[in-house]
Amino acid sequence: KNQVEQSPQSLIILEGKNCTLQCNYTVSPFSNLRWYKQDTGRGPVSLTIMTFSENTKSNGRYTATLDADTKQSSLHITASQLSDSASYICVVSASNDMRFGAGTRLTVKP
Amino acid sequence: DTAVSQTPKYLVTQMGNDKSIKCEQNLGHDTMYWYKQDSKKFLKIMFSYNNKELIINETVPNRFSPKSPDKAHLNLHINSLELGDSAVYFCASSPYLAGGVETQYFGPGTRLLVL
Repeated sequence: KNQVEQSPQSLIILEGKNCTLQCNYTVSPFSNLRWYKQDTGRGPVSLTIMTFSENTKSNGRYTATLDADTKQSSLHITASQLSDSASYICVVSASNDMRFGAGTRLTVKP
Repeated sequence: DTAVSQTPKYLVTQMGNDKSIKCEQNLGHDTMYWYKQDSKKFLKIMFSYNNKELIINETVPNRFSPKSPDKAHLNLHINSLELGDSAVYFCASSPYLAGGVETQYFGPGTRLLVL
Protein backbone atom coordinates (compact mmCIF):
# COMPACT_ATOMS: atom_id res chain seq x y z
CA LYS A 1 0.00 0.00 0.00
CA ASN A 2 1.38 3.36 -1.02
CA GLN A 3 2.08 5.67 1.86
CA VAL A 4 0.49 8.59 0.00
CA GLU A 5 -3.02 8.10 -1.38
CA GLN A 6 -4.70 10.69 -3.57
CA SER A 7 -8.33 11.03 -4.55
CA PRO A 8 -10.06 11.24 -6.85
CA GLN A 9 -7.91 9.52 -9.45
CA SER A 10 -9.38 11.80 -12.10
CA LEU A 11 -11.77 14.73 -12.15
CA ILE A 12 -13.56 16.69 -14.86
CA ILE A 13 -14.97 20.13 -14.12
CA LEU A 14 -16.28 23.08 -16.09
CA GLU A 15 -14.23 26.22 -16.49
CA GLY A 16 -14.88 28.69 -13.68
CA LYS A 17 -15.87 26.05 -11.14
CA ASN A 18 -13.99 25.25 -7.94
CA CYS A 19 -12.65 21.84 -6.99
CA THR A 20 -10.84 20.12 -4.14
CA LEU A 21 -8.27 17.34 -4.39
CA GLN A 22 -7.46 15.07 -1.47
CA CYS A 23 -4.25 13.54 -0.15
CA ASN A 24 -4.06 11.08 2.76
CA TYR A 25 -0.73 9.85 4.01
CA THR A 26 0.84 7.49 6.51
CA VAL A 27 4.42 8.70 6.10
CA SER A 28 6.13 9.11 9.45
CA PRO A 29 7.81 11.03 10.99
CA PHE A 30 6.28 13.84 9.01
CA SER A 31 8.56 16.60 7.76
CA ASN A 32 6.64 18.47 5.08
CA LEU A 33 3.99 18.08 2.41
CA ARG A 34 4.17 19.43 -1.13
CA TRP A 35 1.73 19.79 -3.95
CA TYR A 36 3.05 19.73 -7.50
CA LYS A 37 1.34 20.44 -10.80
CA GLN A 38 2.46 18.37 -13.77
CA ASP A 39 1.32 19.36 -17.22
CA THR A 40 1.23 16.62 -19.84
CA GLY A 41 4.71 16.01 -21.18
CA ARG A 42 6.38 18.33 -18.69
CA GLY A 43 8.16 18.03 -15.37
CA PRO A 44 6.35 18.71 -12.08
CA VAL A 45 6.21 22.29 -10.83
CA SER A 46 5.97 23.10 -7.14
CA LEU A 47 2.75 24.78 -5.98
CA THR A 48 3.00 24.76 -2.17
CA ILE A 49 5.15 23.39 0.61
CA MET A 50 3.80 23.04 4.16
CA THR A 51 5.51 22.03 7.35
CA PHE A 52 3.97 20.51 10.45
CA SER A 53 3.07 23.89 11.95
CA GLU A 54 1.29 25.22 8.87
CA ASN A 55 -2.32 24.32 8.18
CA THR A 56 -2.97 26.42 5.11
CA LYS A 57 -0.95 27.97 2.33
CA SER A 58 -2.04 29.77 -0.81
CA ASN A 59 -0.46 30.30 -4.20
CA GLY A 60 -2.80 32.40 -6.32
CA ARG A 61 -5.95 30.40 -6.99
CA TYR A 62 -4.43 27.34 -5.31
CA THR A 63 -4.94 26.83 -1.56
CA ALA A 64 -3.52 23.84 0.26
CA THR A 65 -4.58 22.74 3.71
CA LEU A 66 -2.90 20.33 6.09
CA ASP A 67 -4.28 18.46 9.08
CA ALA A 68 -1.27 16.75 10.62
CA ASP A 69 -3.43 15.05 13.23
CA THR A 70 -5.57 13.20 10.69
CA LYS A 71 -2.71 13.09 8.16
CA GLN A 72 -4.78 14.67 5.44
CA SER A 73 -4.18 17.46 2.99
CA SER A 74 -6.34 19.07 0.36
CA LEU A 75 -5.67 21.29 -2.61
CA HIS A 76 -8.48 23.69 -3.47
CA ILE A 77 -8.56 25.31 -6.87
CA THR A 78 -10.73 28.39 -7.21
CA ALA A 79 -12.31 29.69 -10.43
CA SER A 80 -10.68 26.99 -12.56
CA GLN A 81 -9.13 27.82 -15.90
CA LEU A 82 -8.44 25.63 -18.91
CA SER A 83 -4.73 25.84 -18.08
CA ASP A 84 -5.40 24.10 -14.75
CA SER A 85 -5.82 20.86 -16.68
CA ALA A 86 -2.92 18.76 -15.40
CA SER A 87 -1.97 16.10 -12.88
CA TYR A 88 -1.65 17.24 -9.29
CA ILE A 89 0.80 15.26 -7.20
CA CYS A 90 1.02 15.16 -3.41
CA VAL A 91 4.48 14.49 -1.96
CA VAL A 92 5.13 13.81 1.71
CA SER A 93 8.61 13.93 3.20
CA ALA A 94 10.05 12.23 6.26
CA SER A 95 13.65 13.23 7.01
CA ASN A 96 15.40 12.61 3.69
CA ASP A 97 12.76 10.30 2.27
CA MET A 98 10.10 11.56 -0.13
CA ARG A 99 6.95 9.62 -0.99
CA PHE A 100 4.89 10.51 -4.03
CA GLY A 101 1.20 10.00 -4.58
CA ALA A 102 -0.04 8.74 -7.94
CA GLY A 103 -1.66 12.08 -8.65
CA THR A 104 -5.12 13.34 -9.55
CA ARG A 105 -5.70 14.00 -13.22
CA LEU A 106 -7.80 17.20 -13.53
CA THR A 107 -9.49 18.16 -16.77
CA VAL A 108 -11.10 21.58 -17.07
CA LYS A 109 -13.60 21.86 -19.92
CA PRO A 110 -14.94 25.05 -21.49
CA ASP B 1 17.96 30.36 -19.49
CA THR B 2 16.39 27.02 -18.59
CA ALA B 3 16.85 26.16 -14.90
CA VAL B 4 17.07 22.37 -15.24
CA SER B 5 17.70 20.90 -18.68
CA GLN B 6 17.87 17.33 -19.88
CA THR B 7 19.09 15.75 -23.09
CA PRO B 8 17.88 14.02 -25.06
CA LYS B 9 14.16 14.71 -24.81
CA TYR B 10 13.32 11.44 -26.54
CA LEU B 11 15.39 8.27 -26.69
CA VAL B 12 14.40 5.16 -28.62
CA THR B 13 16.80 2.25 -28.47
CA GLN B 14 17.12 -1.51 -28.66
CA MET B 15 17.23 -3.93 -25.75
CA GLY B 16 20.75 -4.60 -24.56
CA ASN B 17 22.15 -1.22 -25.57
CA ASP B 18 23.91 1.21 -23.23
CA LYS B 19 22.67 4.80 -23.12
CA SER B 20 23.17 8.00 -21.17
CA ILE B 21 20.87 10.86 -20.25
CA LYS B 22 22.39 14.20 -19.35
CA CYS B 23 21.15 16.75 -16.84
CA GLU B 24 22.36 20.25 -16.10
CA GLN B 25 21.12 22.89 -13.66
CA ASN B 26 22.13 26.54 -13.61
CA LEU B 27 20.52 27.35 -10.26
CA GLY B 28 23.61 26.84 -8.14
CA HIS B 29 21.87 24.07 -6.21
CA ASP B 30 23.81 21.57 -4.13
CA THR B 31 21.56 18.57 -4.64
CA MET B 32 20.40 16.86 -7.82
CA TYR B 33 18.05 13.91 -8.33
CA TRP B 34 16.92 11.35 -10.84
CA TYR B 35 13.33 10.14 -10.87
CA LYS B 36 11.56 7.51 -12.93
CA GLN B 37 7.90 7.97 -13.87
CA ASP B 38 6.28 4.78 -15.04
CA SER B 39 3.23 4.25 -17.19
CA LYS B 40 0.97 4.57 -14.15
CA LYS B 41 2.45 8.03 -13.54
CA PHE B 42 4.07 7.14 -10.24
CA LEU B 43 7.21 9.16 -9.64
CA LYS B 44 9.92 7.19 -7.88
CA ILE B 45 13.22 8.59 -6.75
CA MET B 46 16.25 6.74 -8.07
CA PHE B 47 19.24 8.74 -6.89
CA SER B 48 20.19 12.00 -5.29
CA TYR B 49 23.62 13.63 -5.22
CA ASN B 50 24.72 16.26 -2.74
CA ASN B 51 28.10 17.84 -3.42
CA LYS B 52 29.14 14.81 -5.49
CA GLU B 53 28.13 12.31 -2.85
CA LEU B 54 25.40 9.76 -3.43
CA ILE B 55 23.03 10.06 -0.52
CA ILE B 56 19.92 8.22 -1.64
CA ASN B 57 19.97 5.09 -3.72
CA GLU B 58 16.64 3.32 -3.75
CA THR B 59 16.34 -0.27 -4.93
CA VAL B 60 17.59 0.51 -8.40
CA PRO B 61 19.40 -2.13 -10.48
CA ASN B 62 23.13 -1.57 -10.72
CA ARG B 63 22.69 -1.25 -14.48
CA PHE B 64 21.80 2.35 -13.61
CA SER B 65 24.68 4.52 -12.51
CA PRO B 66 24.61 8.25 -11.82
CA LYS B 67 27.69 10.25 -12.59
CA SER B 68 28.29 13.82 -11.44
CA PRO B 69 31.29 15.50 -13.09
CA ASP B 70 30.54 18.70 -11.15
CA LYS B 71 27.85 20.26 -8.98
CA ALA B 72 25.84 21.46 -11.96
CA HIS B 73 25.61 18.10 -13.74
CA LEU B 74 24.18 14.70 -12.88
CA ASN B 75 24.15 12.23 -15.76
CA LEU B 76 22.40 8.88 -15.77
CA HIS B 77 24.07 5.91 -17.46
CA ILE B 78 22.04 2.81 -18.18
CA ASN B 79 23.71 -0.43 -19.23
CA SER B 80 22.07 -3.42 -20.92
CA LEU B 81 18.72 -1.72 -21.37
CA GLU B 82 15.60 -3.82 -20.75
CA LEU B 83 12.01 -3.41 -21.91
CA GLY B 84 10.96 -2.49 -18.38
CA ASP B 85 13.28 0.49 -18.42
CA SER B 86 10.87 2.28 -20.75
CA ALA B 87 9.60 5.29 -18.82
CA VAL B 88 10.03 9.01 -18.45
CA TYR B 89 13.12 9.99 -16.49
CA PHE B 90 13.13 13.34 -14.69
CA CYS B 91 16.10 15.19 -13.33
CA ALA B 92 15.57 17.67 -10.49
CA SER B 93 17.59 19.92 -8.24
CA SER B 94 17.17 21.68 -4.91
CA PRO B 95 19.34 23.87 -2.68
CA TYR B 96 19.70 21.09 -0.12
CA LEU B 97 18.46 17.56 0.30
CA ALA B 98 14.70 17.86 -0.11
CA GLY B 99 13.63 16.51 3.23
CA GLY B 100 13.43 20.10 4.33
CA VAL B 101 11.33 22.83 2.80
CA GLU B 102 13.47 23.63 -0.19
CA THR B 103 11.64 23.58 -3.49
CA GLN B 104 12.69 21.00 -6.06
CA TYR B 105 12.94 22.14 -9.65
CA PHE B 106 12.31 19.50 -12.27
CA GLY B 107 13.63 19.19 -15.78
CA PRO B 108 11.34 18.53 -18.76
CA GLY B 109 11.90 14.77 -18.73
CA THR B 110 13.50 12.26 -21.08
CA ARG B 111 11.12 9.78 -22.66
CA LEU B 112 12.94 6.47 -23.02
CA LEU B 113 11.48 3.69 -25.14
CA VAL B 114 13.26 0.35 -25.26
CA LEU B 115 12.28 -1.89 -28.16
